[in-house]
Amino acid sequence: ETGVTQSPTHLIKTRGQQVTLRCSSQSGHNTVSWYQQALGQGPQFIFQYYREEENGRGNFPPRFSGLQFPNYSSELNVNALELDDSALYLCASSPFAGGGAKNIQYFGAGTRLSVL
Amino acid sequence: AQSVTQPDIHITVSEGASLELRCNYSYGATPYLFWYVQSPGQGLQLLLKYFSGDTLVQGIKGFEAEFKRSQSSFNLRKPSVHWSDAAEYFCAWGGGKLIFGQGTELSVKP
Repeated sequence: ETGVTQSPTHLIKTRGQQVTLRCSSQSGHNTVSWYQQALGQGPQFIFQYYREEENGRGNFPPRFSGLQFPNYSSELNVNALELDDSALYLCASSPFAGGGAKNIQYFGAGTRLSVL
Repeated sequence: AQSVTQPDIHITVSEGASLELRCNYSYGATPYLFWYVQSPGQGLQLLLKYFSGDTLVQGIKGFEAEFKRSQSSFNLRKPSVHWSDAAEYFCAWGGGKLIFGQGTELSVKP
């Protein structure tokens, strides 16, 4: 158990809809990163939030957006859903942003999103 | 661009046999390297990490990995595989953001 919780566990949406995924970070962690894992692939970095500000973004379009709250929990929002957005979305929390020997990312169990 | 390559998509080993999963990375600076394991329907669990120092690192569940700078490799090993080790294994590189390989699916024969 990592202490990182994600909700919901599964979600089914139709193309064009909007979705919000939630993540509670581990106690003491101020950084949350989001990853998309398509079937049969490794996770791909979407973006990271550090102290409520976006702190780096991967190659994802602007319809992927996020928020981080004062308690360091986070949301991932995806607008105008496309079929290719079907994936497992993973949230990871870490003690701080950037690299370093003590900055380990701990992952939640993920939200499985299906877009029909 | 930085990349992580796991050449083997699927490996099958017999229970009790030894295991080696390959990982190659492409980045010149001191790497931060990780191995994660993912069981079906689950998130990622950290097995071990390398930042600096001793190139042979020990992890949980009896796994170890060896960093070889000359080969840009960070291969994962286990001397004796258990049926419960069947899972997907991911090698990752990075600091603030992680770059993952495509994963290696491990099957264990009884």
